[in-house]
Amino acid sequence: GAVVSQHPSRVICKSGTSVKIECRSLDFQATTMFWYRQFPKQSLMLMATSNEGSKATYEQGVEKDKFLINHASLTLSTLTVTSAHPEDSSFYICSARPSGGNQPQHFGDGTRLSIL
Amino acid sequence: AQRVTQPEKLLSVFKGAPVELKCNYSYSGSPELFWYVQYSRQRLQLLLRHISRESIKGFTADLNKGETSFHLKKPFAQEEDSAMYYCALSGVSGNKLVFGAGTILRVKS
Repeated sequence: GAVVSQHPSRVICKSGTSVKIECRSLDFQATTMFWYRQFPKQSLMLMATSNEGSKATYEQGVEKDKFLINHASLTLSTLTVTSAHPEDSSFYICSARPSGGNQPQHFGDGTRLSIL
Repeated sequence: AQRVTQPEKLLSVFKGAPVELKCNYSYSGSPELFWYVQYSRQRLQLLLRHISRESIKGFTADLNKGETSFHLKKPFAQEEDSAMYYCALSGVSGNKLVFGAGTILRVKS
């Protein structure tokens, strides 16, 4: 149980395009989902907390207009990297916390984003 | 500020040897501490959390508030334990996690 599906697993696109990444909790509901970014050989850095039915909470230094987050249902959050540039190339990972109780986060497989 | 420090980037041990992966944290309140593991080509998964006080795959970790540490230990390492291990901390701010830099554990035969 507690499976998080992240799609796509890899994206390669031209500079200036927008890319949408989906994060789904397959067998549980998640009021809260999280988006992380991981640079090569570095740890996961939290970008934002996605709250179902309300605005996301962004970490300091993360551009809200660059990284659009939508959490329209209890099983789906999306991250859209708008007008992507090469410096946005990274590994993006989502996680989801099951609603109710003090439960830990479950992670997706991550999305490798490469901007040419 | 919340901070998690894993001082070792790589820990290499022989099969059957004891393992200790170090984790120190900085947090002004009462934290919740976790160990996550990432095996080769797999997703990050929870190994254990301090409030559960359980042993998973032979690993244990005790929260030492005096030393602000949450070291991960296993008495006898196995080759299948080779992986990346992340220590993480959650405070009261929406249960978001702060991760350490991670430690690669290599168990040699």
